[in-house]
Amino acid sequence: DADVTQTPRNRITKTGKRIMLECSQTKGHDRMYWYRQDPGLGLRLIYYSFDVKDINKGEISDGYSVSRQAQAKFSLSLESAIPNQTALYFCATSDQGGRAFFGQGTRLTVV
Amino acid sequence: GESVGLHLPTLSVQEGDNSIINCAYSNSASDYFIWYKQESGKGPQFIIDIRSNMDKRQGQRVTVLLNKTVKHLSLQIAATQPGDSAVYFCAENLLNDYKLSFGAGTTVTVRA
Repeated sequence: DADVTQTPRNRITKTGKRIMLECSQTKGHDRMYWYRQDPGLGLRLIYYSFDVKDINKGEISDGYSVSRQAQAKFSLSLESAIPNQTALYFCATSDQGGRAFFGQGTRLTVV
Repeated sequence: GESVGLHLPTLSVQEGDNSIINCAYSNSASDYFIWYKQESGKGPQFIIDIRSNMDKRQGQRVTVLLNKTVKHLSLQIAATQPGDSAVYFCAENLLNDYKLSFGAGTTVTVRA
């Protein structure tokens, strides 16, 4: 089983709909992240959490929200999806040394 | 703002040759650097890392070089294989910051 699991793997949704992307990890890490990847660009940080009670905005948090339900679970929500949120989304955890471990990604298309 | 960037977006390499992927960073306070490999349809996977108190670190067929004077990072892959075809990202962060900043990536294609 993967250490960092994202669901769904693919999703097509309509403009204006609310959608949640889920992430769970079995690595026991406190730190979890959501990144967005667009073609030709690197990964950009949306939100991150250093423990269950800690939530922080990344560089592109507008239009997104997150929930850290437990140490192992970190979900990303798009309150009202828009087409320019079409992208590949990655969840990640990191260990004490700062090394990040990524999930397989969720490909989201907003039509 | 601070940024991490790669010199070339694509690199074509003959199988068996050595590959060198370059990365320039702008935050002189960054002290931890990682190279990731992303294959099609997968998430980035850790390759090798290096801290700022080192200039060179070797792994299996890979070597990372860090030049803090010119803020340059490189990844060398020895005897490149078809399975090395992927997008390679460099990432940096500050000590105890735990927020990695990624470059745009270099797509490596291995020619048979």
